[in-house]
Amino acid sequence: GAGVSQSPSNKVTEKGKDVELRCDPISGHTALYWYRQSLGQGLEFLIYFQGNSAPDKSGLPSDRFSAERTGGSVSTLTIQRTQQEDSAVYLCASSAGLAETQYFGPGTRLLVL
Amino acid sequence: GQNIDQPTEMTATEGAIVQINCTYQTSGFNGLFWYQQHAGEAPTFLSYNVLDGLEEKGRFSSFLSRSKGYSYLLLKELQMKDSASYLCAVRDAASNTGKLIFGQGTTLQVKP
Repeated sequence: GAGVSQSPSNKVTEKGKDVELRCDPISGHTALYWYRQSLGQGLEFLIYFQGNSAPDKSGLPSDRFSAERTGGSVSTLTIQRTQQEDSAVYLCASSAGLAETQYFGPGTRLLVL
Repeated sequence: GQNIDQPTEMTATEGAIVQINCTYQTSGFNGLFWYQQHAGEAPTFLSYNVLDGLEEKGRFSSFLSRSKGYSYLLLKELQMKDSASYLCAVRDAASNTGKLIFGQGTTLQVKP
């Protein structure tokens, strides 16, 4: 596709449930990032993937959060046992390399009731 | 620590010029980005500065002073569609990931 795509666009879940968020990066982009945007807050880095290198998970807020990237392309962000404070917009971005411009997807709006 | 500051809100008039400032204090620096984000949409790339000086791109210009930890985004000939949030972000040099550290964003309202 022409840009980064994410699914679902919106997700409403109950506290304690697990959710999976998907990101399809721009074709050929080797670097992939997940960010979180909470209401009234700046974007917060979560995790970074680059090619076959070990991911940088330093931004994940707790061990309930995990992510994987299969085949160097699609990535899924999983949040286990969701809490209300997990409600936010989860944005994915990709770039041609770590020194290149990041292009963002439309995000997944997660609401935990 | 990592700190990026920008004004929370600004208001300007259609056809005018507005300057959005951003100051940063980060442990490393590998470039500064400006993104535009309309409500409910993805951030879209506007500009990138890694060297001191002014980068001009149509109605938008961005300036960087690394010694002062300061940047601004200049919007000329404002249009109603320029009403959006403007995000300042510094690329982290310390982690070797290229991750961006964002300010909270400046919400710009353009009035007729």
